[in-house]
Amino acid sequence: KNQVEQSPQSLIILEGKNCTLQCNYTVSPFSNLRWYKQDTGRGPVSLTIMTFSENTKSNGRYTATLDADTKQSSLHITASQLSDSASYICVVPNYGGATNKLIFGTGTLLAVQP
Amino acid sequence: KAGVTQTPRYLIKTRGQQVTLSCSPISGHRSVSWYQQTPGQGLQFLFEYFSETQRNKGNFPGRFSGRQFSNSRSEMNVSTLELGDSALYLCASSLPSGGPTDTQYFGPGTRLTVL
Repeated sequence: KNQVEQSPQSLIILEGKNCTLQCNYTVSPFSNLRWYKQDTGRGPVSLTIMTFSENTKSNGRYTATLDADTKQSSLHITASQLSDSASYICVVPNYGGATNKLIFGTGTLLAVQP
Repeated sequence: KAGVTQTPRYLIKTRGQQVTLSCSPISGHRSVSWYQQTPGQGLQFLFEYFSETQRNKGNFPGRFSGRQFSNSRSEMNVSTLELGDSALYLCASSLPSGGPTDTQYFGPGTRLTVL
């Protein structure tokens, strides 16, 4: 079954600290993996898209890694800010079979406290 | 460039009614996808339209339908509303190619409450 699982479900960190969010997927065939940030009451915003051949990709203080062999990805946030408080969603497209669609993880809810 | 817009932002309906939600993609984007987001199920794919044709469909009952117009604007309709249809409905548009690595740009969503 094509699935995307994220951990932890929620996380509380102090402002200025680093954190790492995890994503495991079983989607096959694999095309790419995306990380989105969703602020409360808003639509998700794309942070990174990683293809099969990419191991690391950065977007400012956000760095995503991908291990296609173990089917794992992580999102590392450096020097967290209060504005980083949001839900972070891992997404893997499923382009096999009759229906092409995005498969979403349930997200990690991050709270950054002063 | 204006982002993806969705109307209305909030909607309250009663069971059995029907509802139509609207989405205007970013100018130049021809692919529009719809998603349902609930606390229990997270984000789930409803369907995707590209050049006025439904290209992909998720696992939702036939009460959920959509269409896309020649200007790429899209509408989603839900008939015979059920309590479980209460959710945030998100629309996303992507570049003209509609390829697998195209970035999707999400609108703010329509919050539907079914009483």
